[in-house]
Amino acid sequence: ELKVEQNPLFLSMQEGKNYTIYCNYSTTSDRLYWYRQDPGKSLESLFVLLSNGAVKQEGRLMASLDTKARLSTLHITAAVHDLSATYFCAVDIEGTGGGADGLTFGKGTHLIIQP
Amino acid sequence: DGGITQSPKYLFRKEGQNVTLSCEQNLNHDAMYWYRQDPGQGLRLIYYSQIVNDFQKGDIAEGYSVSREKKESFPLTVTSAQKNPTAFYLCASSTYRGHGAEAFFGQGTRLTVV
Repeated sequence: ELKVEQNPLFLSMQEGKNYTIYCNYSTTSDRLYWYRQDPGKSLESLFVLLSNGAVKQEGRLMASLDTKARLSTLHITAAVHDLSATYFCAVDIEGTGGGADGLTFGKGTHLIIQP
Repeated sequence: DGGITQSPKYLFRKEGQNVTLSCEQNLNHDAMYWYRQDPGQGLRLIYYSQIVNDFQKGDIAEGYSVSREKKESFPLTVTSAQKNPTAFYLCASSTYRGHGAEAFFGQGTRLTVV
């Protein structure tokens, strides 16, 4: 059974600081996704990481994937209040016969960025 | 605009009642999914479908049923057998894995038992 663990689950930080969210998973996978969720809203896709060593950046957010360590990180640089949200990582394991058979999500990291 | 539409946004269910949540997509995606989210939790997979007229149980399928009669539509019925249905329900769709299986989500339906 695939397990996906995020840490921390809750993070309060000040604007201008840097921090990293970690996502560990238990089964071999080469596909990892990061999503953002604002309160009461749906999920917004942030990054799709499809190979070992993949690194993607968008603004103040950078995500990376190490498939050998089964670890992905989401790094926040010089945080601003608008980045306050809950961030989820999700893993797609190899299904039999191809096709998309759903994602396994971590519990999410609730991020609050204070002025 | 292409996207995924869920309706209704809010739904109230009486004890012992079946209710159906709608999910429609115009992205021409083959695969569709239903997830459940409880407060402070991640998403858990209820059912998924890779092709019309076929669907598979996810991790928490008990008390739910689905159909996939059209590529664009994947309705979810919450039956009276689901003892704790109050949650936020999210529908998603994606292409097949080989072409990149990034999932796109609808805006969600918040179901409350009254």
